[in-house]
Amino acid sequence: SQTIHQWPATLVQPVGSPLSLECTVEGTSNPNLYWYRQAAGRGLQLLFYSVGIGQISSEVPQNLSASRPQDRQFILSSKKLLLSDSGFYLCAWNSGTSEQFFGPGTRLTVL
Amino acid sequence: EDQVTQSPEALRLQEGESSSLNCSYTVSGLRGLFWYRQDPGKGPEFLFTLYSAGEEKEKERLKATLTKKESFLHITAPKPEDSATYLCAVKLRGSNYKLTFGKGTLLTVNP
Repeated sequence: SQTIHQWPATLVQPVGSPLSLECTVEGTSNPNLYWYRQAAGRGLQLLFYSVGIGQISSEVPQNLSASRPQDRQFILSSKKLLLSDSGFYLCAWNSGTSEQFFGPGTRLTVL
Repeated sequence: EDQVTQSPEALRLQEGESSSLNCSYTVSGLRGLFWYRQDPGKGPEFLFTLYSAGEEKEKERLKATLTKKESFLHITAPKPEDSATYLCAVKLRGSNYKLTFGKGTLLTVNP
């Protein structure tokens, strides 16, 4: 069966510091991978998606970037965090255009 | 602008008191509607996918239905463990990857 991992689970970072969140998927090959952000009182917002190694599509211009160095690894980064980057970050995967399956999430607090 | 609206924002039920959650959408073409359950501090858990008006899916005490403008998640004889936020998302025609999420309905079932 497929499993999706995210780490760290929680992170507290000062404004202006860098960020690296990691997501890995097990039990499948060539998945589509997604990064979402969930802010309080708002719906899930798609940030990036990837259909293959090195292929990244951005949905929202912002302070973040994404990379996919390996087939089942997806990384969310920032060079300098802003207060507005705080939120719950979720990674998801699917095959083809089927339903998406989410990871456990990372709670990021920027102080 | 395409939009997904969930109602009510919050619903409090007594154990055994059946009810329904609503997800209405204004989209130019629907390729699928998805229901998820999200527990506090966790990633969303996939429940159902619906593709066409008239379609119904069931799982334990939950039944999801779809019309041309909205979907209902019916909860029959709920138990306290059904307490969670229920999220609705749509995939639009012409978009293979992007899901547009509603803000969710927070369901609380009291014993």
